[in-house]
Amino acid sequence: AQKVTQAQTEISVVEKEDVTLDCVYETRDTTYYLFWYKQPPSGELVFLIRRNSFDEQNEISGRYSWNFQKSTSSFNFTITASQVVDSAVYFCALSEAQAAGNKLTFGGGTRVLVKP
Amino acid sequence: EPEVTQTPSHQVTQMGQEVILRCVPISNHLYFYWYRQILGQKVEFLVSFYNNEISEKSEIFDDQFSVERPDGSNFTLKIRSTKLEDSAMYFCASSEARGYTFGSGTRLTVV
Repeated sequence: AQKVTQAQTEISVVEKEDVTLDCVYETRDTTYYLFWYKQPPSGELVFLIRRNSFDEQNEISGRYSWNFQKSTSSFNFTITASQVVDSAVYFCALSEAQAAGNKLTFGGGTRVLVKP
Repeated sequence: EPEVTQTPSHQVTQMGQEVILRCVPISNHLYFYWYRQILGQKVEFLVSFYNNEISEKSEIFDDQFSVERPDGSNFTLKIRSTKLEDSAMYFCASSEARGYTFGSGTRLTVV
């Protein structure tokens, strides 16, 4: 069975600080996808990134970067120079490619509070 | 950019009433899903739907829930007899090989 763990329930930082969100996953599949979503106070789920299990290259998109370490089953997310607008709950999720229906299994989420 | 559309955005219903949550998935997507998020908790998978039938469902998706694709565009979630604990945000999603897109959700409040 697949499982996603986000050990940090809440992180509070001051604007312009960097913040790293941890995500550890468990799966028996060799082919899978990892996702990060942002959920602002308005409640919608905003897609940030999808990474497949064969692509271990780290990725940078503006102030966001992701570190995929297959050896430790982790897919960590860093926000550089945080801003107040980054305040949200961030979810890591896993989809097993071979599973019928491609459901996403979400972690418990990390609430990020960026103070001015 | 194509969107998954959910209506209504907020629904209040009395305990024991039936509710139907509606979704219009992205037109070329083949898989459709419903997820639930109780306030302050994580997003939980309810059901996936492919080729006009359920492909997978979770333990949460018991007999009070049903899904339907009544026409070529809509995808609905019916809760037959709502309970207080059904109060949650319900997200519809659709996917194909490259994308997995969520709607903005329907907040269901059972009173």
